[in-house]
Formats: sequence, C-alpha cells, structure tokens
Amino acid sequence: AQSVTQPDIHITVSEGASLELRCNYSYGATPYLFWYVQSPGQGLQLLLKYFSGDTLVKGIKGLEAEFKRSQSSFNLRKPSVHWSDAAEYFCAVAPYSSASKIIFGSGTRLSIRP
Amino acid sequence: DTAVSQTPKYLVTQMGNDKSIKCEQNLGHDTMYWYKQDSKKFLKIMFSYNNKELIINETVPNRFSPKSPDKAHLNLHINSLELGDSAVYFCASSQAAGEFIGQYFGPGTRLTVT
Repeated sequence: AQSVTQPDIHITVSEGASLELRCNYSYGATPYLFWYVQSPGQGLQLLLKYFSGDTLVKGIKGLEAEFKRSQSSFNLRKPSVHWSDAAEYFCAVAPYSSASKIIFGSGTRLSIRP
Repeated sequence: DTAVSQTPKYLVTQMGNDKSIKCEQNLGHDTMYWYKQDSKKFLKIMFSYNNKELIINETVPNRFSPKSPDKAHLNLHINSLELGDSAVYFCASSQAAGEFIGQYFGPGTRLTVT
C-alpha cells in the first residue's frame, strides 16, 4: 500500500535561512507527488507537483522540490525563508492509475524565528 | 471569483443533531472530494465524486451521506452527530480526465459537536 511519511513534525528556522522539509513515500511505481501548504484557518494550497520528466520541480513562492527515486523522497526546499512562510506543509502522493486516491502525509509545521 | 467555496465556515451543534455542509466549485472540474482533518492535522479522504457519481467511499460511518446535485456541487449531510465528528471538513476538486494537476481546496468548515 502506498504511504507518505513526513518525519519532522515541527521545524523552526530563522528568517533568511534556508529550508528543507522532508518527504518519503512508499509505492511500487513512480506516483504523482505534491506539496501543499496550509496557513492557519485556511484550506490547502497546491505549491508544486511532480508527474514525470525533470526531477527538480519549481513551484510558487520560490519553492522547489527534488524527486529522488533511489531514496523515494520528494523534499521541499527554499533558499531563504520569510516570516510569511510559517504554515503547515503537507506532502502527498497519488497513484498514477488513480489520481483521485491521493494520500497526504501528517504534515510539518514550519515556524520562523525573527 | 472563489474557486472552491464552502458554507458554513463554522458550525457548532449538539450531539444527535443533523447538519449539512455545502460545497461549490467554479473551476469546471469533474471530480470533487470531502476530507476530514482531525485535531492532529491528519487529512483523510472521505468521499470522491466524478460527474455526480460516487467513486471513492472510504470507511466512513453511514451517518455521513454525500450528495452531488451537479458536478459543481458536493454537499455533505451528517446524521446523529457525535463528539468524534468534531473536525475540520474540507471540500476539494480536481480535473478527472487528462493531466492530474492537483486538487484545489475550499477554506474548510470547522465542525464542533458539544
């Protein structure tokens, strides 16, 4: 069965510092991979996605993620965080054959230190 | 021009009551979903409809009944509410055919059962 693991429940980084949020997935083939962000009291917003092709995917808000098949990972990165990046981040995976069956990780809460 | 909207945003009710949450999307998407997010931010799919037909029905008590009058609307009716139903319920939509571009989420409905 497919699964998504976000090993870090909560991360705090200083404003201006770089960020990497980890995501590992378990699936027999290459799935669709996503990162979403949820600000307090808001719904989820899609940041970026990977289907195939270039393994480095660029999304909104200066974010990027790299698909590494050998490590079954899809980590989210940002070179310099801003206070407005504080939010909950969710990694998600969907099987190629059934995009409707998307599964979300448990989320990583990002706090920004002034 | 909200993409996915939900009403109400907040819902406080007593155990045993019946309540409904409404969802509408103006993106022209074919597929709509209901998710439940618990107090630990864990997001779990409940139902998925494609062109008004139910395609995913996870293990959800039959007190929960989705209804899709047309492909732009997916409502959630909950009978005999229980304390454990307290959560944030998110509606989402996505393209069913062609490239799966990810899901678009509504702002959520925070349900509190007392």
